[in-house]
Amino acid sequence: DTAVSQTPKYLVTQMGNDKSIKCEQNLGHDTMYWYKQDSKKFLKIMFSYNNKELIINETVPNRFSPKSPDKAHLNLHINSLELGDSAVYFCASRQDRGTSDTEAFFGQGTRLTVV
Amino acid sequence: AQSVSQHNHHVILSEAASLELGCNYSYGGTVNLFWYVQYPGQHLQLLLKYFSGDPLVKGIKGFEAEFIKSKFSFNLRKPSVQWSDTAEYFCAVNALNTGNQFYFGTGTSLTVIP
Repeated sequence: DTAVSQTPKYLVTQMGNDKSIKCEQNLGHDTMYWYKQDSKKFLKIMFSYNNKELIINETVPNRFSPKSPDKAHLNLHINSLELGDSAVYFCASRQDRGTSDTEAFFGQGTRLTVV
Repeated sequence: AQSVSQHNHHVILSEAASLELGCNYSYGGTVNLFWYVQYPGQHLQLLLKYFSGDPLVKGIKGFEAEFIKSKFSFNLRKPSVQWSDTAEYFCAVNALNTGNQFYFGTGTSLTVIP
């Protein structure tokens, strides 16, 4: 079974549309993340979320919003898509034991292309 | 500002050559360090990690890394690379004083020529 799964794997959409990417983890982790990987492969953290708090990277436009219906899911909603949103989006999860000594597990990524 | 730096952006090696990729971080306090690999078209996979203890850690596929606290470094090494090591390599830091944030360096693209 896939530990961290994202859907869809590929998403092509027009500018101005609203879209969502889903993420589910079956590892029982309590912290989940969204990362954006641009064309230069740079990984930028967008959000981290657990049952205690949502931390938003201040450079992320408010068109992006995470939604967590439960501990195992963290979906990414994007409103009014722009060309610059084209990238690969990775979901990740890790177990927060109050320390920092656990690794993150990544999903397969969603390649978003805005035309 | 807190950051993770990877100084080698693109590395090209012949098979059997030795590899060393640099990683420096600037977070204070207790840190945990990771190297991830991303093969073409795939997601990130953990190569190795340092939490505490022996600063020389061994990972999968013959990779190792050394944590040098005084230099704020965590360089990745492999004595003899293979064509299948062609991939993007990312150094990452998770520090207590950043809460749950998990920060990555800019990545190093490794191409191994057969």
